[in-house]
Amino acid sequence: DTGVSQDPRHKITKRGQNVTFRCDPISEHNRLYWYRQTLGQGPEFLTYFQNEAQLEKSRLLSDRFSAERPKGSFSTLEIQRTEQGDSAMYLCASSLAFEGQGAYEQFFGPGTRLTVL
Amino acid sequence: AQSVTQLDSHVSVSEGTPVLLRCNYSSSYSPSLFWYVQHPNKGLQLLLKYTSAATLVKGINGFEAEFKKSETSFHLTKPSAHMSDAAEYFCVVTSFSGGYNKLIFGAGTRLAVHP
Repeated sequence: DTGVSQDPRHKITKRGQNVTFRCDPISEHNRLYWYRQTLGQGPEFLTYFQNEAQLEKSRLLSDRFSAERPKGSFSTLEIQRTEQGDSAMYLCASSLAFEGQGAYEQFFGPGTRLTVL
Repeated sequence: AQSVTQLDSHVSVSEGTPVLLRCNYSSSYSPSLFWYVQHPNKGLQLLLKYTSAATLVKGINGFEAEFKKSETSFHLTKPSAHMSDAAEYFCVVTSFSGGYNKLIFGAGTRLAVHP
């Protein structure tokens, strides 16, 4: 399967614990996005990478959240000191785009469902 | 700022009848618009996209949408619903700034199809 993959698919943790999610984009895609989806809502943009550079972070991304894409390939999203309000589906997407051009299709992974007890 | 409003949170149709999922958008410039579908335990899948070409856009699985600038609408339609169409549908506008496109999703419409 050459689509976007995410690991783990489900994570249950206790409040205060740290969690890390991984996203493997489609191999030739230079852009990678993280979104968060809470129950009954559409996904909300969190952050975006162009190759290994993190170019924008949403105000939703508090200081407890950090994302990396060290070699411009896979990405990790870490949440420190988790809170119950962090419970959500975390979605990763990737796309191939060239500077100055937009509206390229973003391909989504299946998501990681986080439950904070 | 860009935003989308999906006018119905739930739509229920009978198999074989037409589907209409309504979406209105707000954008300060000519937008790109998308419809994505989300089946349980599966990733979001692009149904179709409008990027300032033809206003009537055809997508996968028999879906189509019409961009109406005067009404700021981008409704999704299908002539005949199939049981496999039951899913969550998201209308999306793209905010293209700084050289990349950030997707802004509506709240979603859950489509139920009954026999």
